[in-house]
Order: sequence, then C-alpha cells, then structure tokens
Amino acid sequence: AQKVTQAQTEISVVEKEDVTLDCVYETRDTTYYLFWYKQPPSGELVFLIRRNSFDEQNEISGRYSWNFQKSTSSFNFTITASQVVDSAVYFCALSPYGQNFVFGPGTRLSVLP
Amino acid sequence: GAGVSQSPSNKVTEKGKDVELRCDPISGHTALYWYRQSLGQGLEFLIYFQGNSAPDKSGLPSDRFSAERTGGSVSTLTIQRTQQEDSAVYLCASSPGQGVWNEQFFGPGTRLTVL
Repeated sequence: AQKVTQAQTEISVVEKEDVTLDCVYETRDTTYYLFWYKQPPSGELVFLIRRNSFDEQNEISGRYSWNFQKSTSSFNFTITASQVVDSAVYFCALSPYGQNFVFGPGTRLSVLP
Repeated sequence: GAGVSQSPSNKVTEKGKDVELRCDPISGHTALYWYRQSLGQGLEFLIYFQGNSAPDKSGLPSDRFSAERTGGSVSTLTIQRTQQEDSAVYLCASSPGQGVWNEQFFGPGTRLTVL
C-alpha cells in the first residue's frame, strides 16, 4: 500500500525564520516519484518540485530546499528566511511507477509578520 | 486560456439532486485527473484519464460518481443523488505526455455544497 504522512498539521513561524516541513512515505515500489505542491489561500495548487527514486541529490531553489533520504523514506522541505507569502498549505505526494498520486494530508504553514 | 479551467466555481444543490462538474484541461495535455478535497483535508484521488486508454476509476467512492472525457479534452464529473458527505472542493488537473510522474497543473476547483 502507498501512504504519505505529514505529521505536522499546522506550523506557525515568524517572518525570516527557517522552517522544515516533514514528509514520510511508504511504498513497496522501487521506482517512484515524490512531489511537493503548494496551495495558497487562493486555493489553486502549485507544483514545486518532483524527485525520482533514483536521484537522492538534495535540491535548492532560491529559499526552498529539499532533502530526500531513501533510508528513512523521507522527503523534507525547508524554507529559509520565510516570508508572509509562503503562508499556504503544503502537500507532499507520492506517485509509484504506473500508478496514481497519493497525497499527504498537508501542512498548514502560517508565517507571521 | 492558458490554464486548467473548471465550472462552475461554486455549486449549491439539494440532497438527492444530480450535479455535473466540468473541467477544461490545458490544450494538448493527454492526462486528466479528478480529485476531491474535503474541508481541511488532503486530496483524494477519484479518476484518471490518459489519452484513449480506459480510465482508472479506482478512486471513485461509489457508483453515484462517474466521469467521462469527450474527444480527449473536456471532462465532466457527474454525481448522482448527491449526499451531504459529497460536499467538498472538486479539483481537476491535467498533465502533458504519458506517465503519472509528470507535473500536474491544477484548476481552481468547484466548491460543491449539498444541503
């Protein structure tokens, strides 16, 4: 069975703080893809990143970085120097090869000014 | 338009009525997905269309739910005899090429309220 767990339901930080959103997944497939999506208050989901199971290199994009560790089945997302505009619900998702997406329950991030 | 569009944006209906929700994917995208997002919850996969292949209906919660995709483009999600627990935001997404690992582009959703 496929499963994605985002243990943090809600996180509040003050602007400029760093914050890490956790994602733990379960799959028996050896080939799979992991994703992060952002859902701002407007409601429309926005793609942030895709990772395949064979690429464990961490990735940095501006203030965003992702840490993929197969040994712990985790794909954590860190926002450095958070901003108010980062306030949103963030979803981690798993797509096993040839199958459909399984989304985690989401983490609501509030960045306070 | 450049993005995925959905209509209506809001739908209020009475219990027992049928509703149709529409999705216009991005032109040229061969894959189309429907999801349901209940208040404060994550996304629940409903159905997946890929090109001319038979759709993956494994996520449909009951036989009251059905979907079709005409001409490989527009899709309609139909809910018959609506129940209050059907109240949710229904999201459509499309994706280029084949393979569910491609990025999905989401529409704004249809908020369905069943009274």
